[in-house]
Order: sequence, then structure tokens, then C-alpha cells
Amino acid sequence: EAQVTQNPRYLITVTGKKLTVTCSQNMNHEYMSWYRQDPGLGLRQIYYSMNVEVTDKGDVPEGYKVSRKEKRNFPLILESPSPNQTSLYFCASSLTISYNEQFFGPGTRLTVL
Amino acid sequence: AQSVTQPDIHITVSEGASLELRCNYSYGATPYLFWYVQSPGQGLQLLLKYFSGDTLVQGIKGFEAEFKRSQSSFNLRKPSVHWSDAAEYFCAVGAQGSNYKLTFGKGTLLTVNP
Repeated sequence: EAQVTQNPRYLITVTGKKLTVTCSQNMNHEYMSWYRQDPGLGLRQIYYSMNVEVTDKGDVPEGYKVSRKEKRNFPLILESPSPNQTSLYFCASSLTISYNEQFFGPGTRLTVL
Repeated sequence: AQSVTQPDIHITVSEGASLELRCNYSYGATPYLFWYVQSPGQGLQLLLKYFSGDTLVQGIKGFEAEFKRSQSSFNLRKPSVHWSDAAEYFCAVGAQGSNYKLTFGKGTLLTVNP
């Protein structure tokens, strides 16, 4: 089944404790992206990747890192999480950058205490 | 920079009634436009998209949307709403260029009364 998977789905952590949210797609998509969703703000792009080893900042990259060492994986790293990073995070992928449908993962709900 | 406005935060309709969700965008060139739906606790699912050509586009689940360049709008419609349509709906605009990112509106929450 074609899908985007994220792990974990739910995470409660404390300020400053490094964490990684994994994202994997099995559709051989080139383009992958991370969004955060906050009430009243919609979805905002954190980082995106056009292909392996090609990543760039989105609208709200502060406090996040990403890497794209393999085509299928695009982990989101929070080196020192803070409470303002409490949010619902979505990973998405699409075949190319030219606006084929973006497939979204199920989301990761992160709480930073 | 592109932007999207969804004027209605929350809409309530009765089952069987017609639905129109509004979306206005701001972008200097021809936009790529999308509607996504998010059911409670779920990720986002693409309903329909507009790239070019016919300004009335059909999507899944009986939804359609019409691109009106003169009004910078891309409103979503459905002639008869089902209880299972209760969800949050997001309009998004895409930009050409080095990023090709999607900019989302803040969403419209749809409640369906029996």
C-alpha cells in the first residue's frame, strides 16, 4: 500500500531532550516536506527536500533540523525542544516538485513540557 | 509571496443541504490551487486540484471547485452534504519557483447536523 508513515504518533517529552520524528514513504517520491499544524494558524512548512541530499528551509525552520540521506526517509530532528514546539506535525511527499498530489502522513502529536 | 484566506472559520449545515466553502488567494501569476480535507485525528487528503484548463474541477467524494481568476477565488462546493463530510477543509496555493511550496489557509471546520 502506498503510504507515508510517521513515528512516533504521539510523544510527550521535556524541554531540551533531543528527539527525532521519522518519516518514510514507499512511493519513490522525490519531494518531501514537514509541516506543523497549530490551531488558528493552519499548516506551515518547516523544511522541504527536493531529493536526496537537497534540503531547504520553509517558513518556520527555527529549532528544527532535517536530513535526506535516502530517498524514502526524511527525519525531523529537534535538538533542544521547547514548549513552543508543541504541535501536530505532518510529513508529506509528492512524486516531483511540480505539484503532483502531496500525500500526507497520519501526523505526530508532540507535547514539550 | 503567496497567501490564502479562508474567511469562514466554522460552518454548520444540515445533512442534505448544499455547501460552499470560500477560498481567496493572493499570487502574482497563475496559481496551482488545492483543497484538502482533514477528518478528526487523520492526516490530510487531497480532494481536488487546479493547475490549468477547465476552471471547474471535479474531485473525490462529490466535491467540485471553480477557479475564478477575476475574483482570485477557488471555492469548494458540494450539492448535498453527508454526515461523513464533517471535517476540516484546507485550501492551499502553490508557487512556481525554487521552492514550489504549498501555502495553506487556516482552515474551515464543517459541522453537519442530522
